[in-house]
Amino acid sequence: QSALTQPASVSGTPGQSITISCTGATSDIGSYKLVSWYQQDPGKAPKLIIYEVNKRPSGVSDRFSGSRSGNTASLTISGLQAVDEADYYCCSYAGDSTLVFGGGTRLTVL
Amino acid sequence: QLQLQESGPGLVKPSETLSLTCTVSRGSIYSSTYYWGWIRQPPGKGLEWIGSVYYTGSTYYNPSLKSRVTISVDPSKKQFSLRLTSVTAADTAVYYCARLDSVWYFDYWGQGILFTVSS
Repeated sequence: QSALTQPASVSGTPGQSITISCTGATSDIGSYKLVSWYQQDPGKAPKLIIYEVNKRPSGVSDRFSGSRSGNTASLTISGLQAVDEADYYCCSYAGDSTLVFGGGTRLTVL
Repeated sequence: QLQLQESGPGLVKPSETLSLTCTVSRGSIYSSTYYWGWIRQPPGKGLEWIGSVYYTGSTYYNPSLKSRVTISVDPSKKQFSLRLTSVTAADTAVYYCARLDSVWYFDYWGQGILFTVSS
C-alpha cells in the first residue's frame, strides 16, 4: 500500500483557479469512487471538503470541486481567496477495508 | 454537533507502548453507518491512516502498522482506544481520532494530541 502522489506545492493569485492532482493506482483511485479531500490549516485538525470524488459536505463553498480520471483524482479551487491558503490532502479507499492518504500539497495564495 | 477528544500521555520511552483514548460526545458510538478511526501526522509531514474500528469491535488496520497496532471500542463509555507497541522516534506524531463514514471519509475529527517518543 503506497501513499498517493500529490505535488508538494501549488500557488495561485486571488481570483484564479488552481488544480491539485492526486495520483494513485488501479488498486485504489482507479477502482473506487471513494476519494475524499481534506483542508488543513496550520496547527488544526483536517477538515473534510470533498467526499465520494465530487460531493461537498454542507457548508463547504461551491468553489471547491473534485473529479477523477483513471488513477488520478483532482481538486479544483476556483475564485482563489487568501483564506484558501492551507495544506490539502487526498485520501482513497484501497480495498480490503483500508485507506491511503496522499502526501499533501501546500497551497500558497500569492 | 458530534465531538471527539483524544487523551493519553504525551511522552513515552522507546520500546514502550503508546495508549490513547478517544471519547465521543454529543452523539452515539453505536451506529451501523459509521466506523471510528485513528490517523497520525508526524511533525511537518503528511497524514497516515492507522486503523479503524466498528462498534461491534471489528477492526481494520494499515498493513504497515498492523503488527504493532490494536484498536478497541467500549460503546458503553463512548470511547475507542489505540495501542501501539514497541514505539520508536518515528512514531512521534500528532494523533487524531475521527469518525469514518461507511463510504470511507472522515467527517468529524478530534483536535489531535501530540505524542512524543523520547528517552
